[in-house]
Amino acid sequence: GQNIDQPTEMTATEGAIVQINCTYQTSGFNGLFWYQQHAGEAPTFLSYNVLDGLEEKGRFSSFLSRSKGYSYLLLKELQMKDSASYLCAVRDLASAGYSTLTFGKGTMLLVSP
Amino acid sequence: DTEVTQTPKHLVMGMTNKKSLKCEQHMGHRAMYWYKQKAKKPPELMFVYSYEKLSINESVPSRFSPECPNSSLLNLHLHALQPEDSALYLCASSQGDRGSYEQYFGPGTRLTVT
Repeated sequence: GQNIDQPTEMTATEGAIVQINCTYQTSGFNGLFWYQQHAGEAPTFLSYNVLDGLEEKGRFSSFLSRSKGYSYLLLKELQMKDSASYLCAVRDLASAGYSTLTFGKGTMLLVSP
Repeated sequence: DTEVTQTPKHLVMGMTNKKSLKCEQHMGHRAMYWYKQKAKKPPELMFVYSYEKLSINESVPSRFSPECPNSSLLNLHLHALQPEDSALYLCASSQGDRGSYEQYFGPGTRLTVT
């Protein structure tokens, strides 16, 4: 089984930097994804980490520490359009060899002017 | 084309109805997924198809019946649903079902069971 924890809500102001944390416990870790989901829309892929370290992609960066079961998503130069739910998802290698993706409950980020 | 399409966008059905949700992708992806998402909750995996074969069924009730007619299409047949089945049903696809392949999600079908 898996246990994924992330904060329920966060607030930040436009232009600021925000870090959204995710901790997980899993039996067969096979990668961690971050998705963004605007209200009423489908999740969109932001980043993927499978090795320890930082992955940078424009205004978004994601960090992974496998030994600590910890990841964070860093958003820089926040814009109003970044107000959304951010989902941490862990890929787990199931016993049959197939991998499944389990989502955390999501962190609702509200960016204010 | 990096799009996953789903039809219908909205569906209202009674508990005795039979309906189907459809999903299509033309990215050459070999893994396709059905998720259920309730309001303010994360998506929950229902089914995984890999190379047109059902590889994972997450203990979903038999009133939900998936079908993968070919590598581009995924259907979800609905019969005798309950009001608690009302949710957003998301289809996703990925190049494979392992490794770093990210999943691309469709816009979803918002289902209401009356």
